[in-house]
Amino acid sequence: AQSVAQPEDQVNVAEGNPLTVKCTYSVSGNPYLFWYVQYPNRGLQFLLKYITGDNLVKGSYGFEAEFNKSQTSFHLKKPSALVSDSALYFCAVRDPPSGNTGKLIFGQGTTLQVKP
Amino acid sequence: EAQVTQNPRYLITVTGKKLTVTCSQNMNHEYMSWYRQDPGLGLRQIYYSMNVEVTDKGDVPEGYKVSRKEKRNFPLILESPSPNQTSLYFCASSWAEPNSYNEQFFGPGTRLTVL
Repeated sequence: AQSVAQPEDQVNVAEGNPLTVKCTYSVSGNPYLFWYVQYPNRGLQFLLKYITGDNLVKGSYGFEAEFNKSQTSFHLKKPSALVSDSALYFCAVRDPPSGNTGKLIFGQGTTLQVKP
Repeated sequence: EAQVTQNPRYLITVTGKKLTVTCSQNMNHEYMSWYRQDPGLGLRQIYYSMNVEVTDKGDVPEGYKVSRKEKRNFPLILESPSPNQTSLYFCASSWAEPNSYNEQFFGPGTRLTVL
């Protein structure tokens, strides 16, 4: 069965510093990976996805993610964090990779705290 | 504005009192889904619908019902709510093409408390 793990409950970073939010996955077959962000009292917003192709995926708000097949990871990154990036971040994998249930398997979520 | 709306946003109810959480999208999406979010568990799928009159169970369907009579609406029904259904609920929608990997659009969430 597909699964996603986000090993850090919280990540703290100073404004202007680079940030990384970690995600590892376990899938049978090709992984289809997503990152979503949830701001307080809001629904989830799509950031980026990896389906195939270039291992470095660029998304919204200056975020990017690096797909690493050998390490089964899909870490979210940003070169320079903003206080407004503080939110809850979810990594997700499509389940199953083929077929059409549309289901996403989500990680537990990582709270990103960016301090001024 | 393209969006998914849910109502109510907050609901406190008592055990056994039937309730419905509405979900509506204005993007003409075929696919709609309900998730619940619980601390430490991420989001888990309750039910999904590939199109009108086509629904199927997700990972945690017990205690829930859905219907899809119109393309834009996908209500979640709790016939007899119990305290273990206290959670944050999200509706989502997307285009559904064969083997598609379209991102899903999420509603703002409904926080339900069952006493």
